[in-house]
Amino acid sequence: VIWMTQSPSLLSASTGDRVTISCRMSQGISSYLAWYQQKPGKAPELLIYAASTLQSGVPSRFSGSGSGTDFTLTISCLQSEDFATYYCQQYYSFPWTFGQGTKVEIK
Amino acid sequence: EVQLVESGGGLVQPGGSLRLSCAASGFTFSSYEMNWVRQAPGKGLEWVSYISSSGSTIYYADSVKGRFTISRDNAKNSLYLQMNSLRAEDTAVYYCAREARVGAGGFDIWGQGTMVTVSS
Repeated sequence: VIWMTQSPSLLSASTGDRVTISCRMSQGISSYLAWYQQKPGKAPELLIYAASTLQSGVPSRFSGSGSGTDFTLTISCLQSEDFATYYCQQYYSFPWTFGQGTKVEIK
Repeated sequence: EVQLVESGGGLVQPGGSLRLSCAASGFTFSSYEMNWVRQAPGKGLEWVSYISSSGSTIYYADSVKGRFTISRDNAKNSLYLQMNSLRAEDTAVYYCAREARVGAGGFDIWGQGTMVTVSS
């Protein structure tokens, strides 16, 4: 099983801030990593796949980086609609696993 | 419109059974691998099960292995999850999710979820 450590679990920020979320793997996964955004009462939405490729329709203020064991999701200029919970997920090997989530809240 | 719609959730007693369904529309269902993902109240996402496009390859999370069975009917554009010997810890919103095509990655389409509550 590939274990994932996502940090921080809670991030307080203001509109316009640049925020980063980290995801660390227990073993290397190349670039087989996705990031999701989830708002309360809604299903998750895919933001980024292959560690750094933006899913169609996702604003360019979202970006992903990393490979191997360390990955980062960056929101360059936080907008009001970005306050949500974010999850990383590896699809390198079964069982697929998710990070614990990072809630981005209004400071 | 590409869409997944789950159904079949509800309240069930511990040890009981439930069958979830996921109806797909707007895309060629038989070409895509599918998954079930669940989320306990106030908790994070947990992958539950995977099935290949043909149904020939299946994987389960250890937490449900031997109790849950994933299946699909490509002629009916439908995905299923048979859940037996249910426990309180199986209480969650269950989502069906489409895996992106080869060359992409992740789950690109999700249903709205169906709530399963296991309680006496």
